[in-house]
Amino acid sequence: KQEVTQIPAALSVPEGENLVLNCSFTDSAIYNLQWFRQDPGKGLTSLLLIQSSQREQTSGRLNASLDKSSGRSTLYIAASQPGDSATYLCAVRPGDSSYKLIFGSGTRLLVRP
Amino acid sequence: EPEVTQTPSHQVTQMGQEVILRCVPISNHLYFYWYRQILGQKVEFLVSFYNNEISEKSEIFDDQFSVERPDGSNFTLKIRSTKLEDSAMYFCASSWDKTSTDTQYFGPGTRLTVL
Repeated sequence: KQEVTQIPAALSVPEGENLVLNCSFTDSAIYNLQWFRQDPGKGLTSLLLIQSSQREQTSGRLNASLDKSSGRSTLYIAASQPGDSATYLCAVRPGDSSYKLIFGSGTRLLVRP
Repeated sequence: EPEVTQTPSHQVTQMGQEVILRCVPISNHLYFYWYRQILGQKVEFLVSFYNNEISEKSEIFDDQFSVERPDGSNFTLKIRSTKLEDSAMYFCASSWDKTSTDTQYFGPGTRLTVL
């Protein structure tokens, strides 16, 4: 059964720092992996999607990498800003015959001015 | 930019009552989903829906739950007889297709409180 884990659970950094959020999954047979942002009491905003055949994806200050064989993904945020403060979730889609996303518990990020 | 919308934003109900949560997916999307997030826990998949039928469901999605696309725009989740443990944030999502490049877009959620 696929399990998704995110470390650390919480992170507090000063503005301007580059930071890395980690996501690991137990079964390497995934179809794709998505990173989401969740603001308190709000919905999920998709940030990046990496297909299983890809190694990384970039969007602005965000870069996500995927190492399927080791069951890991990282989300790199460059030059962090207070507006980046949110919970970041990763989710894997197990296979092409499955529609569901399996989520990690998230990393709560606080960027201090 | 198109977005998924959900109503109501907050629903309070008594245990044993029926509730219907409503979603309007992005207009040209073909796949629809419900997820839930109990306070402090992970987001969990409930059900996916395509071509007017359920394509996949989780163990959580038992007989008290049902989904429907009553017209060309709405997608609903019905909980027949609510329990205290159904209190959660319920998210609707939609996608254009189910290929590996396809993103699921989530709505803002409905917070369901069962008293």
